[in-house]
Amino acid sequence: AQTIHQWPVAEIKAVGSPLSLGCTIKGKSSPNLYWYWQATGGTLQQLFYSITVGQVESVVQLNLSASRPKDDQFILSTEKLLLSHSGFYLCAWIEGLGGDTQYFGPGTRLLVL
Amino acid sequence: QQQVRQSSQSLTVWEGETAILNCSYENSAFDYFPWYQQFPGEGPALLIAIRSVSDKKEDGRFTIFFNKREKNLSLHIKDSQPGDSATYFCAARETNSAGNKLTFGIGTRVLVRP
Repeated sequence: AQTIHQWPVAEIKAVGSPLSLGCTIKGKSSPNLYWYWQATGGTLQQLFYSITVGQVESVVQLNLSASRPKDDQFILSTEKLLLSHSGFYLCAWIEGLGGDTQYFGPGTRLLVL
Repeated sequence: QQQVRQSSQSLTVWEGETAILNCSYENSAFDYFPWYQQFPGEGPALLIAIRSVSDKKEDGRFTIFFNKREKNLSLHIKDSQPGDSATYFCAARETNSAGNKLTFGIGTRVLVRP
């Protein structure tokens, strides 16, 4: 069975500080991976996706960057947080070929003060 | 311009009633429409999905009715239970779009009163 893990569960950070959020998929090889951002009470906005290791495509940057250092790992980061970065960050995966369903992780709650 | 539009941001029904959530879309190339259910503090989970070649998809108490000509669809939750209280997102995808991009609506928060 596939499992998706996100870390940390929650963060409180200061404006201007760096951030790194992680996502790991176990039990699935070569998945497509996604990062989404969700404002409190809002919709899901796709930020980045990756089809393979080392390759990341940006959909909406929001002064964030993403990397895929391993087949099962997806990292979201920034060097300088803004207040507008607060929200719920979700990682998702899909079968690499022909898959339809995106499966979401439990999310990371971020509050920037 | 919202590509996927959910007409109600909130909906309250009594236990046992049928909740009807509406969704419409702009892009004629969308051909796959999943509905996701999200509880507070959790990631969304796929509830039910339909492809544009079908006009109806049923799974237990959940049914999608799809109208390709009108570019709209609805999710019916039959015999609503308090445990169905959640936010429901309509989403759409164009096959072969870059990265299998899903476009989400703003969500409908459903409250089922006992």
